[in-house]
This record gives sequence, structure tokens and C-alpha cells, in this order.
Amino acid sequence: KNQVEQSPQSLIILEGKNCTLQCNYTVSPFSNLRWYKQDTGRGPVSLTIMTFSENTKSNGRYTATLDADTKQSSLHITASQLSDSASYICVVTGQTGANNLFFGTGTRLTVIP
Amino acid sequence: NAGVTQTPKFQVLKTGQSMTLQCAQDMNHNSMYWYRQDPGMGLRLIYYSASEGTTDKGEVPNGYNVSRLNKREFSLRLESAAPSQTSVYFCASSSQGDTEAFFGQGTRLTVV
Repeated sequence: KNQVEQSPQSLIILEGKNCTLQCNYTVSPFSNLRWYKQDTGRGPVSLTIMTFSENTKSNGRYTATLDADTKQSSLHITASQLSDSASYICVVTGQTGANNLFFGTGTRLTVIP
Repeated sequence: NAGVTQTPKFQVLKTGQSMTLQCAQDMNHNSMYWYRQDPGMGLRLIYYSASEGTTDKGEVPNGYNVSRLNKREFSLRLESAAPSQTSVYFCASSSQGDTEAFFGQGTRLTVV
């Protein structure tokens, strides 16, 4: 069964600290993996995309990694800011086509001053 | 840039009432989607439209109908609302061949 699991479910960190969010998937075939950020009361917005051949990709203070062999991805946030408080959703695409998106349940990150 | 616009943002219905959620995108995308998001669950696909004139069922289509009115607009209809349909509904769109979905801001629906 195609599944995407994220951990932890929720996380509270102090402003300025780093954190890492995890995503494990069983989706096959695999096309790509995206991390989305969802602010409270808003729709998700794509942060980064990882394809099969990519191991690491950065977008500002966000760095995503992908291990296609173990089917694991992580999102590392450096020097967290209050505005990083949001849910982070891992989305895996199976066969090509956006109608084959598999969503994780998300990690709720709260950054406190 | 408006992107994906959903209306209304909030709605309360009584069991058995009907309503239509509206969605419009101005990015010239071929594909449009309706998802629901419930606590503790990932976004689940209700219906999608790969192109104007076509619609297909997703993971949880029961109790819903959709209309792809034109390339810009994709509506979701609840014919007889049930409490189990209390959820946040998101419309999304994407370019053909692109897996990035652009989401609207959501409609929070409560059925009492």
C-alpha cells in the first residue's frame, strides 16, 4: 500500500534553534517528493522538490535530503524563526501526474521566542 | 497574482442542506483538484479534473459531485450534507505534466 509517514507529529523549539523533520514512504513507483509548508488557515505551499537522483537540496534556511534506497526524506530547518511555525507536509508523487499525490499527515512545528 | 481562489471561506450547514463550493484559478492550468483535510489525516483527494471537460473520482468521492465549468473554474457540490462532511476543503490546480499543486486558502465547512 502506498503510504507516507511523517515524524514527529508535533515539535516545539526555541527561536534560533535547528530542527529536522522526517518522512518515510512506501510509494512505488516513485516520481518525486515535495515538502510543503502550510501556515494556519492557509493552503499548502511547495518549499522544495526532490527527484530520484537528488540527495540534497536547499532553499534558504530549508534543506531537504532524500535517500531513495531507504525511501526516507528529511527537512532540516536552520536558525528557526517565529514565521517557521506551520505544518510541514511531505508529498510523494507516484506515477507521473498530480492526481497520484500521496500526502503525509504533516508535522506541526511551533517556534517559541 | 490571485492564483487559486475559493469561496466561501467559512460555511455552516444543517444536515441535509446542499451547497456548492466554488474554485477558480488564473494560472491557465489544465488540471484541478478538490481535497479535504481532516485532523490527523493527510489531504485526501475527492475529485479531480485532468482537463476541461473531464472529471474523475479520487479517494473519497461519495457524497460529492463536481463540475468543470471551463478551464478556470471547478466547483464541488454537496447535495445532502452530513456531519461526516465537516472538514476543510482545498481546491488546487497544476500544469499538465507538473506535479506541483497550487492550493487555494481553503473552505472550512461545518455540518450540524
